[in-house]
Amino acid sequence: ETGVTQTPRHLVMGMTNKKSLKCEQHLGHNAMYWYKQSAKKPLELMFVYNFKEQTENNSVPSRFSPECPNSSHLFLHLHTLQPEDSALYLCASSQVGTGSTEAFFGQGTRLTVV
Amino acid sequence: SQQGEEDPQALSIQEGENATMNCSYKTSINNLQWYRQNSGRGLVHLILIRSNEREKHSGRLRVTLDTSKKSSSLLITASRAADTASYFCARGTSGTYKYIFGTGTRLKVLA
Repeated sequence: ETGVTQTPRHLVMGMTNKKSLKCEQHLGHNAMYWYKQSAKKPLELMFVYNFKEQTENNSVPSRFSPECPNSSHLFLHLHTLQPEDSALYLCASSQVGTGSTEAFFGQGTRLTVV
Repeated sequence: SQQGEEDPQALSIQEGENATMNCSYKTSINNLQWYRQNSGRGLVHLILIRSNEREKHSGRLRVTLDTSKKSSSLLITASRAADTASYFCARGTSGTYKYIFGTGTRLKVLA
């Protein structure tokens, strides 16, 4: 248990569906992240939030919409996805201060788009 | 690409042997971190080495950093079947809080 909880663990959705991934961290961190992990590709950083403000959007398609209502919760809203969006979506958190520190990851949501 | 590159991509060894994985990167860093991922799970932080450090130990793990060559290595000594996992390096840069990961090394330790 890393202190970062993601739900659901598995999700199958059609291309016309709308769903949301949820991430919650119990570590008191001030930064949260969404990563996408596809087979045989590096982890792709999608979004970064620092103190609830989005500070990074790595050219992610608009069918992925993040939301960070407070420093403990992070959502990824999904709509009209494509089969190539099937992947493991990982949430992470860290404490940003003087210099970088380690990131704590959730167990991920395995997303399958059919 | 800003991403690091680990090599080898895959490594298979016998239990009790040492495993060495390498990581190269292209831009300057504040620190370099190593993570482990069991199949289909989240990543777990193993060790962080700062840019002014050359070597660091944690249990059976030994990490070295050569900033002149922009490379790092992770050594796992006396490997166990439970060490079977993918290992990733991640660059940490000062002034930002992004963690840029490489493609990982898949380690298989045979009992």
